[in-house]
Amino acid sequence: NAGVTQTPKFQVLKTGQSMTLQCAQDMNHNSMYWYRQDPGMGLRLIYYSASEGTTDKGEVPNGYNVSRLNKREFSLRLESAAPSQTSVYFCASKAPSGVTEAFFGQGTRLTVV
Amino acid sequence: AQTVTQSQPEMSVQEAETVTLSCTYDTSESDYYLFWYKQPPSRQMILVIRQEAYKQQNATENRFSVNFQKAAKSFSLKISDSQLGDAAMYFCAYMSYKLSFGAGTTVTVRA
Repeated sequence: NAGVTQTPKFQVLKTGQSMTLQCAQDMNHNSMYWYRQDPGMGLRLIYYSASEGTTDKGEVPNGYNVSRLNKREFSLRLESAAPSQTSVYFCASKAPSGVTEAFFGQGTRLTVV
Repeated sequence: AQTVTQSQPEMSVQEAETVTLSCTYDTSESDYYLFWYKQPPSRQMILVIRQEAYKQQNATENRFSVNFQKAAKSFSLKISDSQLGDAAMYFCAYMSYKLSFGAGTTVTVRA
């Protein structure tokens, strides 16, 4: 029972480099989310996808792009990494029913130097 | 846009005692859901308790209970008989069409 799988777990980038964070879920959930977690700021929503083929901006979308490749996969891309994007990134998925819990990946610790 | 505010960055509690974490939210929606998540040092996000806004009865899960005040837009978490394993960061979360989190409260438990 894999749940939500994020790759990689750790990454160091140089300023200006690009990379894609991968996320896949095997629970047949419609909704998927990308968050960043910074000290003292909690989890801030970057982008979310309510269903396959749709994506919407969250609180902090600047510098990021996303792709909902299919129902299982939701990737986050940094086109030109900046030190301000150093953070821990979480992917989550959720069933349509509002009261059901969101399931989270194990997080990716990204450092931009 | 909905916002979630946790005004207590840190709380400390003696083992076996009770601690209450505060959460307020701002919304114009009438139908929504509220959650408390626990994040231990492993970074894993663990659901502690959930509450549907249309239910007046406060949710309880063993030693965890909430005080949901819809008119005041308040959703506090009470941890009773605190245990060392309760030490973690706790996040309040709001869900309507997207899931938003507060800044978190770090709970330490003194032996």
